Amino acid sequence: ETGVTQTPRHLVMGMTNKKSLKCEQHLGHNAMYWYKQSAKKPLELMFVYSLEERVENNSVPSRFSPECPNSSHLFLHLHTLQPEDSALYLCASSQTGTGIYEQYFGPGTRLTVT
Amino acid sequence: AQKVTQAQTEISVVEKEDVTLDCVYETRDTTYYLFWYKQPPSGELVFLIRRNSFDEQNEISGRYSWNFQKSTSSFNFTITASQVVDSAVYFCALSEASSNNNDMRFGAGTRLTVKP
Repeated sequence: ETGVTQTPRHLVMGMTNKKSLKCEQHLGHNAMYWYKQSAKKPLELMFVYSLEERVENNSVPSRFSPECPNSSHLFLHLHTLQPEDSALYLCASSQTGTGIYEQYFGPGTRLTVT
Repeated sequence: AQKVTQAQTEISVVEKEDVTLDCVYETRDTTYYLFWYKQPPSGELVFLIRRNSFDEQNEISGRYSWNFQKSTSSFNFTITASQVVDSAVYFCALSEASSNNNDMRFGAGTRLTVKP
């Protein structure tokens, strides 16, 4: 049990659809992350939220829109995606403060864009 | 810029064999952290270890052990007496202390298959 949950676990959407991925952490952390894992690329960090403020956006296309309403919840809103956006989207959380802390990951959402 | 290299794409062993997964990193920071994660077929990354750059002591946890060598910028992971349940993709990652965002850079991963 990792304490980080993601829904849905699988999602198939057309290029004109709008959908949202949800992440919830039960670990009392105050930083949350979105990663993209494609078949032939290393894990790519997409967004970082620390204390509910976005602190990093790694040149992610605007068709991905994150939202962090509080320190326990993180969303990734999707619209007009492309087939190359098909991937496993992983959410993670960690403590913040002096030093670097390990991140705890959810099970991911397997997204297929048709 | 920080970089992590896992040169072994895939490794296949027979149960009870020992196996070592290699990780080589690059960083200009003097303070940094290294991690290993396991990703079983279920998809979720499972945290295994965090080590900071000032602690070169090797660590053992059950059948797992880690060898941190700053002189060669390596942080290798050994599984002793491997089991079928060890089959997974293993990722090494690096985070520099100068990163304000706990930014972890992952290697490409090594897929380990343990056959019965």
